[in-house]
Amino acid sequence: AQSVTQLGSHVSVSEGALVLLRCNYSSSVPPYLFWYVQYPNQGLQLLLKYTSAATLVKGINGFEAEFKKSETSFHLTKPSAHMSDAAEYFCAVNQAGTALIFGKGTTLSVSS
Amino acid sequence: DTGVSQDPRHKITKRGQNVTFRCDPISEHNRLYWYRQTLGQGPEFLTYFQNEAQLEKSRLLSDRFSAERPKGSFSTLEIQRTEQGDSAMYLCASSLQGVPSYNEQFFGPGTRLTVL
Repeated sequence: AQSVTQLGSHVSVSEGALVLLRCNYSSSVPPYLFWYVQYPNQGLQLLLKYTSAATLVKGINGFEAEFKKSETSFHLTKPSAHMSDAAEYFCAVNQAGTALIFGKGTTLSVSS
Repeated sequence: DTGVSQDPRHKITKRGQNVTFRCDPISEHNRLYWYRQTLGQGPEFLTYFQNEAQLEKSRLLSDRFSAERPKGSFSTLEIQRTEQGDSAMYLCASSLQGVPSYNEQFFGPGTRLTVL
């Protein structure tokens, strides 16, 4: 069975600081991995995805994530946080053509 | 280019009433998913369709829940005899199955259900 664990339900950073949101997965087969962002009272927007083409994945809004098979991790980073990055972030995993399995989410707060 | 739309955006109902939500996927997408998201949690899979066929249902989908996708276009999710525990955000997503095989899903804005 597949699963996702997001370490840290709440992360706080200062504007301009590095953002690091952690995600570890469990999968018996090579997974597809995703990061989504959710703003209050809105649906989910895809930030980036890992589909085995490259281990370092670049997404929208300056975010990137690195797939590390040995660590079963897919951590999300951004070099410099912006106030507009404050939101809920979800890591998700699936196999081809199946439903997404989400982590519990990490709330990112950005202070000025 | 229209994305996934859901109607209504908000629904308040009394316990025991029936409610129905609608999802309109991206027009060329043949797969449609329903998820439920409770406060402080990630979305949880409920069911999905490929065209008009309902291919998988989660154990979360009790017999009070039913979903349809007539003609493989829009979908409805009905909850009968609502309970306070049904209060959640109901998210719909659609995707194009096939190429690429990772099945990128596009989400709608959700329907927030409050059961009093």
